Amino acid sequence: DTEVTQTPKHLVMGMTNKKSLKCEQHMGHRAMYWYKQKAKKPPELMFVYSYEKLSINESVPSRFSPECPNSSLLNLHLHALQPEDSALYLCASSPSLAVSYEQYFGPGTRLTVT
Amino acid sequence: KQEVTQIPAALSVPEGENLVLNCSFTDSAIYNLQWFRQDPGKGLTSLLLIQSSQREQTSGRLNASLDKSSGRSTLYIAASQPGDSATYLCAVRSGGGADGLTFGKGTHLIIQP
Repeated sequence: DTEVTQTPKHLVMGMTNKKSLKCEQHMGHRAMYWYKQKAKKPPELMFVYSYEKLSINESVPSRFSPECPNSSLLNLHLHALQPEDSALYLCASSPSLAVSYEQYFGPGTRLTVT
Repeated sequence: KQEVTQIPAALSVPEGENLVLNCSFTDSAIYNLQWFRQDPGKGLTSLLLIQSSQREQTSGRLNASLDKSSGRSTLYIAASQPGDSATYLCAVRSGGGADGLTFGKGTHLIIQP
């Protein structure tokens, strides 16, 4: 099973809402990633988790709060977002942070902030 | 800072043609390079992974080459089909440890039936 799942597929939220994105994999991978992709742009790295510990935060605003409660699950908590945060949020995983490994991506959550 | 460029930005060809997509990167100190396919509004499907020590990888009608010293990779698609229509993204892993992938902007490919 080489599948990364993400829920929800679509999310519309107001600027005062609090919501969460969920990512799950059952491949035994110990590295998980959040990427953000704006329309017609390439994905950009947001966060990296290794063995449930945050390894990288690419200067992401605090209104985005990641959480890795266990080795299979990665959440992204959203609060007080801006319309410019509307994007496709992609989750990925790999066996570890070792550079030789392939990253597997989920289908993404399409977020619209109104 | 690593930068990845993909040429052409868009390509439209008749079905059955062989075609080449190009990817270049500014810092040749990469660990690996991945080619992805992305359908409109969807996630990324990994097509091929080439390690820095490899010259090429093949999967079905796809062949990817890597010339690390010149900072270039090509994706060759043989006998193109309408189902190949998608955006193709090239991404490099050039930071050790916790760095993620650096992506190019992609080539939007249309195969005309």
